[in-house]
Amino acid sequence: ETGVTQSPTHLIKTRGQQVTLRCSSQSGHNTVSWYQQALGQGPQFIFQYYREEENGRGNFPPRFSGLQFPNYSSELNVNALELDDSALYLCASSLESVDPYEQYFGPGTRLTVT
Amino acid sequence: RKEVEQDPGPFNVPEGATVAFNCTYSNSASQSFFWYRQDCRKEPKLLMSVYSSGNEDGRFTAQLNRASQYISLLIRDSKLSDSATYLCVVNMIGSQGNLIFGKGTKLSVKP
Repeated sequence: ETGVTQSPTHLIKTRGQQVTLRCSSQSGHNTVSWYQQALGQGPQFIFQYYREEENGRGNFPPRFSGLQFPNYSSELNVNALELDDSALYLCASSLESVDPYEQYFGPGTRLTVT
Repeated sequence: RKEVEQDPGPFNVPEGATVAFNCTYSNSASQSFFWYRQDCRKEPKLLMSVYSSGNEDGRFTAQLNRASQYISLLIRDSKLSDSATYLCVVNMIGSQGNLIFGKGTKLSVKP
């Protein structure tokens, strides 16, 4: 177990709705990255948060947004859900000052948009 | 050309077999390389980092060829528990700490 937790485990939403996913990073890790993994694909980078600020963003529209809190936990918000948003959403934590690429993944939230 | 490309698979091998996975990456400026393992409906887990000098961890050997922009993973004496999807991963240029994943190659080890 990595110590990274995510909630909820599964979620079913309707097209057009909004969703918030949550992630608690491994103890001591100050950086959280979010990835989207569609079925049969590798994870795709959405964005990263470091010290409560967005620290890099992948090729995702603005309706994907996030937050990081002082305790380093993080939220991913998706507005105006589309069918193609159905995927496994993974968060990964790391300690930027040690090795930013050594990322530990949580179990993911499986989102289904109908 | 995709940023990280892997053998499409799936690879179906008997226990005890040696299996090799290949991966190419498009950005010559990439500096960090990894193999992750992902079990069905689970999160990816770091299997090993890949260094220029090559590195070995038990039955697993990873190689990097920077000139060819090519990464490999060799698994010797395959076990049933090695069945999983293997993801080739490189760092994202211009975005420290973030990773680009290949689509993965599925391995099934049969008795």
